[in-house]
Amino acid sequence: GGIITQTPKFLIGQEGQKLTLKCQQNFNHDTMYWYRQDSGKGLRLIYYSITENDLQKGDLSEGYDASREKKSSFSLTVTSAQKNEMAVFLCASSTDRGNSGNTLYFGEGSRLIVV
Amino acid sequence: GDSVTQTEGLVTLTEGLPVMLNCTYQSTYSPFLFWYVQHLNEAPKLLLKSFTDNKRPEHQGFHATLHKSSSSFHLQKSSAQLSDSALYYCALSSNYQLIWGSGTKLIIKP
Repeated sequence: GGIITQTPKFLIGQEGQKLTLKCQQNFNHDTMYWYRQDSGKGLRLIYYSITENDLQKGDLSEGYDASREKKSSFSLTVTSAQKNEMAVFLCASSTDRGNSGNTLYFGEGSRLIVV
Repeated sequence: GDSVTQTEGLVTLTEGLPVMLNCTYQSTYSPFLFWYVQHLNEAPKLLLKSFTDNKRPEHQGFHATLHKSSSSFHLQKSSAQLSDSALYYCALSSNYQLIWGSGTKLIIKP
């Protein structure tokens, strides 16, 4: 089996600061995702990437940048952290975009705290 | 657009009673439907998935039948266990993405 590793587990930053979350997978999956998890709102897609150097915006991409420089890694940057952005960020990977029933595998999440 | 509705935000049950978590959906096409489960401080993971009408996949005592006529994919278990306490998400595949419901928190009490 494989694993998805998200770092850091907790990211504390100041308002207005640029903050980066990292994600590594060893499944050799093509597609990777970043989701934001807020209580009572489900999982909202921020960015996804179907291959190295590809980026696709999700519904919540404003205020975020992403980078997929290697197949195994996908990073997410909060361009200017705001207090209302405190949430858990989940990274996931899949053999495809999920439209044909393939399973998404998730990391344990990174919690963003803005002070 | 496509959407998934989970009507219960919180379900609290006594151990041993049956579980039913509701999921209905709207979709232009015939999507895959999924149930994912997330235990406290853990990653979400796939519990069940289905594409075929009226088929009933099962896993870890849970089952869900996809009914295309009523656009439903309710999750059921005959007897709840304490370890079933978790957050459950229903999702559908749509246009190269997964569309997620808002989640149902299930708490099982002794």
